[in-house]
Amino acid sequence: DTGVSQNPRHKITKRGQNVTFRCDPISEHNRLYWYRQTLGQGPEFLTYFQNEAQLEKSRLLSDRFSAERPKGSFSTLEIQRTEQGDSAMYLCASSLRSVNTEAFFGQGTRLTVV
Amino acid sequence: AQSVTQLGSHVSVSEGALVLLRCNYSSSVPPYLFWYVQYPNQGLQLLLKYTTGATLVKGINGFEAEFKKSETSFHLTKPSAHMSDAAEYFCAVSAAEAAGNKLTFGGGTRVLVKP
Repeated sequence: DTGVSQNPRHKITKRGQNVTFRCDPISEHNRLYWYRQTLGQGPEFLTYFQNEAQLEKSRLLSDRFSAERPKGSFSTLEIQRTEQGDSAMYLCASSLRSVNTEAFFGQGTRLTVV
Repeated sequence: AQSVTQLGSHVSVSEGALVLLRCNYSSSVPPYLFWYVQYPNQGLQLLLKYTTGATLVKGINGFEAEFKKSETSFHLTKPSAHMSDAAEYFCAVSAAEAAGNKLTFGGGTRVLVKP
């Protein structure tokens, strides 16, 4: 297993365009998380899935953001009508559902909105 | 609600000197605590974690951390800094399993190692 994979690694888009990111978790992991990290800050939780069910969404996740995890495998995060404030690193992590679990992170997708 | 405070956004140490990164947390449930390291334009790599049991936790690359419940602290140390330790370090606390084990991170501490 090669770990958590995120694509693309970098994305530059014009304001108002839609963008979609993909995350492939570690294959046996049933939980998948999305975090956002702005420059000089720690990551902030956006949403998480258990299998295909989206169980929680942060207030940071405005209605322009949508995430899916069809069939409980890979996940996509879409941002519609991007704004400059959306520029950030978007991190995906996966874990097993367990009391002592740890999350494994992908390398992130860096979004720049110009 | 949970929160994490990392004291010092930047730390500068000489190669071979002690590295000490401070982390204090707030949690309404018994905490699971983590330290992650991030290299430029990379994701986060787990250094170590505390769940239950021994309060002194050893991690990778010679790092260790001590959970002190009375002080609500989980400071990270390494006896002798190496140039490769230059990175950003994040302390995090995990929500309960029933709440998805989602992580709340501190603001990070960037470590600079001087030759």
